Amino acid sequence: DTGVSQNPRHKITKRGQNVTFRCDPISEHNRLYWYRQTLGQGPEFLTYFQNEAQLEKSRLLSDRFSAERPKGSFSTLEIQRTEQGDSAMYLCASTQRGGEQFFGPGTRLTVL
Amino acid sequence: DAKTTQPPSMDCAEGRAANLPCNHSTISGNEYVYWYRQIHSQGPQYIIHGLKNNETNEMASLIITEDRKSSTLILPHATLRDTAVYYCIVSASGYNTDKLIFGTGTRLQVFP
Repeated sequence: DTGVSQNPRHKITKRGQNVTFRCDPISEHNRLYWYRQTLGQGPEFLTYFQNEAQLEKSRLLSDRFSAERPKGSFSTLEIQRTEQGDSAMYLCASTQRGGEQFFGPGTRLTVL
Repeated sequence: DAKTTQPPSMDCAEGRAANLPCNHSTISGNEYVYWYRQIHSQGPQYIIHGLKNNETNEMASLIITEDRKSSTLILPHATLRDTAVYYCIVSASGYNTDKLIFGTGTRLQVFP
């Protein structure tokens, strides 16, 4: 399968724990995006990378959130000291310069 | 905030055309209209996009009014698998896709 993959698909954690999600984009895509989606809402933009450079961060991305794309390939999104309000679906998308974004299946986070 | 307005829900009989409207009265000259859909528990899927001309692909047709203030996505022969939330998005970058600002979309229910 050559689509966008995300791992894990589901994560349950206790409040205060740290979690890390991984996104593997389509191999030739140089732009990578993270979005967050809560129940009943559309996805909300968090951040994006062009190659390894993080070009934009939403104000939704608090200090507890950090994203990396160390070699311009896969990306990780870490949430430190999780809160119940962090419970959501975290979506990753990638694109080559020009055209539509391809989304992965998402990681569903539940913070107890 | 999303720059588009869509009805929250619509129904369509299987085999009939589904016409999903979208208002984007504040669209700028360099902004494209994109349509994505999201089937339950999956990541969003690109459908089609356009600037000012009508567009058609294997999934759908996009009709954009001459003043570009509104558009209609047409699924010519809806099937049960087309049941999903459909998002209309305006994006400035066009060919060089920028972040997507999703609204709450239209929930399309296709019934037998």
